Amino acid sequence: GQQLNQSPQSMFIQEGEDVSMNCTSSSIFNTWLWYKQDPGEGPVLLIALYKAGELTSNGRLTAQFGITRKDSFLNISASIPSDVGIYFCAGRYFPNRDDKIIFGKGTRLHILP
Amino acid sequence: KAGVTQTPRYLIKTRGQQVTLSCSPISGHRSVSWYQQTPGQGLQFLFEYFSETQRNKGNFPGRFSGRQFSNSRSEMNVSTLELGDSALYLCASSLSTGELFFGEGSRLTVL
Repeated sequence: GQQLNQSPQSMFIQEGEDVSMNCTSSSIFNTWLWYKQDPGEGPVLLIALYKAGELTSNGRLTAQFGITRKDSFLNISASIPSDVGIYFCAGRYFPNRDDKIIFGKGTRLHILP
Repeated sequence: KAGVTQTPRYLIKTRGQQVTLSCSPISGHRSVSWYQQTPGQGLQFLFEYFSETQRNKGNFPGRFSGRQFSNSRSEMNVSTLELGDSALYLCASSLSTGELFFGEGSRLTVL
């Protein structure tokens, strides 16, 4: 079945550092979504991407839709303590009768004091 | 604009019981989907409803079911609960653009 490989699984960084994470798939998607989830909360949408090659920013966050449509990247610049959490990518082929959104396993971001 | 509301937030059941979870989507959103989140399996798609019809279904046994009402509110039901059903159950509503907006989830513990 379809799978999304998200890496790294976890990251330990210093405050102020930049962060990069990515998702790859064996299937193509026409929508990539990036979410952040804090403990005890539901995922919050950070960035949505709809076109191959698209580069979209949301404050210190930048995400790109890979040209092959099988991958996506999320970068966080100048990390701050509130960036701690789990980041998920999700790919879907929308709209499609068989549309089943697929999530990565998440990247857990830790910021060292 | 109110977000996605899920009730209850927490519940404890015993094996063999059944449970019903409720979700109220963002006003104007007609699509509601449900997900199971566990530490081992991550976020897994359960099913999606649009205009009271199930549009898609994930790979879960028939004990997991759902429905959507005319006001777009949705419920999911799990019958004959098993220990492995302990999880955070998330509901999301979506626009026609495909973006999902999640609720805070219902945390189910099966003893």
